[in-house]
Amino acid sequence: VQLVESGGGLVQPGKSLKLSCSASGFTFSSYGMHWIRQAPGKGLDWVAYISSSSGTVYADAVKGRFTISRDNAKNTLYLQLNSLKSEDTAIYYCARSVTGMDYWGQGVMVTVSS
Amino acid sequence: DIVLTQAPLSVSVTPGESASISCRSSKSLLSSKGITSLYWYLQRPGKSPQLLIYQMSNLASGVPDRFSSSGSETDFTLKISKVETEDVGVYYCGHRLEYPRTFGGGTKLELK
Repeated sequence: VQLVESGGGLVQPGKSLKLSCSASGFTFSSYGMHWIRQAPGKGLDWVAYISSSSGTVYADAVKGRFTISRDNAKNTLYLQLNSLKSEDTAIYYCARSVTGMDYWGQGVMVTVSS
Repeated sequence: DIVLTQAPLSVSVTPGESASISCRSSKSLLSSKGITSLYWYLQRPGKSPQLLIYQMSNLASGVPDRFSSSGSETDFTLKISKVETEDVGVYYCGHRLEYPRTFGGGTKLELK
């Protein structure tokens, strides 16, 4: 099982960014997936979840601004980040959902700053 | 939202000794299916978190049996026996009872 995030970077407040998580080593379409973030020096903060049937759930802090989606043909999970705020600065991890978050990617850094 | 409170914030352990970390939930984590929805994760320095324990007391794949976990519906303890160098990092408890998923604030384990 391997999860590889990409798409991070430095972005100005109010702008947008799209993160990707490329999955391999398992049948991606059969699993729900999470995005979790970690602000610098802080703890873990759950962001969003998408089920195998593409049902979605969001944390209140990102609802209406972030969109989680998946492309099973490409074995890829996405997170569209809009209207970014400085408090969204964090490492963003994707994780597979089984009994717990059993596999995590290496994370991708998103920095929101002018 | 379910609040998970961990204690202590940090623990310093002599290699070969044991360590215990507590996690207290603001709500019962016992699901309607009779499963206790408490999970433990370890984040080693500079690494991604990894799953250690699922459903309160089950070792994840590849996790040594030096790790064990127990508890009630709201109070949980992770025990690490014979602590080794590779056990250094931050331990988080988490749940999957409902949304939003939440995590404890973390407990940092260091070696003396």
